[in-house]
Amino acid sequence: DSGVTQTPKHLITATGQRVTLRCSPRSGDLSVYWYQQSLDQGLQFLIHYYNGEERAKGNILERFSAQQFPDLHSELNLSSLELGDSALYFCASSPRGGRDYGYTFGSGTRLTVV
Amino acid sequence: SQELEQSPQSLIVQEGKNLTINCTSSKTLYGLYWYKQKYGEGLIFLMMLQKGGEEKSHEKITAKLDEKKQQSSLHITASQPSHAGIYLCGADSATDSWGKLQFGAGTQVVVTP
Repeated sequence: DSGVTQTPKHLITATGQRVTLRCSPRSGDLSVYWYQQSLDQGLQFLIHYYNGEERAKGNILERFSAQQFPDLHSELNLSSLELGDSALYFCASSPRGGRDYGYTFGSGTRLTVV
Repeated sequence: SQELEQSPQSLIVQEGKNLTINCTSSKTLYGLYWYKQKYGEGLIFLMMLQKGGEEKSHEKITAKLDEKKQQSSLHITASQPSHAGIYLCGADSATDSWGKLQFGAGTQVVVTP
């Protein structure tokens, strides 16, 4: 157990629907990062939140949004889902500055869009 | 954006033999991270390297970051079935915002009896 909790573990939904993925970071970590892993694109950075504020964005689609709450958990919202959104979605967390302390990943949410 | 090239894409090694995986960056690295992933599962942190020339070891796994901080290698000594999986290198660029890890495509390791 890495200490980063992601729910749900599996999600199957239809095209056009909206889903919310949840992440609880390790105790004491202020940063949360979201990544998408697919067979064709590999592991791609989506977005980074630090203590409730957005810090960096990667190749995140406009249909996707995220937020980090005062208790530091984070949610990734995916809307108007398409078949191509099927992937493993990972959350990672780190203390203040991840690059000096490392990044701890959760076990992921497998999203299947049918 | 930064690109990470991992080689080889896959390798099959006999139990007890050594193996090496390489990771080359197109940019100067701030930090280089090695992870292991079982197919479809989460990423397990192995090692973090930040200083050029740095070398770290844990059990039978050794990772090095070259002096110019653009290449890293992961070496496994006397491989065991537990070493099977996908090894991923991830990197923080010295110039990009922190947290934007770029990852290599991964190296699949199979350990045969």
